[in-house]
Amino acid sequence: EIVLTQSPGTLSLSPGERATLSCRASQSVRGSYLAWYQQKPGRAPRLLIYGPSSRATGIPDRFSGSGSGTDFTLTISRLEPEDFAVYYCQQYDSSPLYTFGQGTKLEIK
Amino acid sequence: EVQLVQSGAEVKKPGESLRISCKGSGYSFTSYWISWVRQMPGKGLEWMGRIDPSDSYTNYSPSFQGHVTISADKSISTAYLHWSSLKASDTAMYYCARGGSGYDPLDYWGQGTLVTVSS
Repeated sequence: EIVLTQSPGTLSLSPGERATLSCRASQSVRGSYLAWYQQKPGRAPRLLIYGPSSRATGIPDRFSGSGSGTDFTLTISRLEPEDFAVYYCQQYDSSPLYTFGQGTKLEIK
Repeated sequence: EVQLVQSGAEVKKPGESLRISCKGSGYSFTSYWISWVRQMPGKGLEWMGRIDPSDSYTNYSPSFQGHVTISADKSISTAYLHWSSLKASDTAMYYCARGGSGYDPLDYWGQGTLVTVSS
């Protein structure tokens, strides 16, 4: 089983700042089959980034993903008020077992 | 428009059985796997398992194997998550999501079904 570790656990930033979220895998993720999701309170998760740098439909270009092997990054170039949420990475390499990271909470400073 | 619509919230007692549903629309239901994801109160996301609706082939996370059953009825574009004997620790929000083939992320999600198990 591939274990994903996200850091930091909580990130406190102000609107307009740049956010960098990390996801580290316990072993190499084949084909860079890694995705990022955003979840707001009381809402279902939403796919942001997959593969690991393709944006999902309707996702603004301030969101970007990068990385390969065991180290992946989600970057939000300029934070908007609606971006404050919890972010999860997920690998879909280790079929049939998908796993999520524990999440990073992005909060307003 | 792709939509996954889940059944409503449930309140059950320990030991009872339960089946919740997830109806897909706006796409070819048999062309995409469906995954189920658990979120316990205040906690993160856990992938439970998946089903290929075209032939009902399933895989489960070891953490959930034997405790839940995933099924599908392709004639009505609906996937199900079933418990034969609920525990208090099954109290959680359950999401279905499109995806799970091993080559795709979970690109569309249902709204979630809250299951509360309490005596």
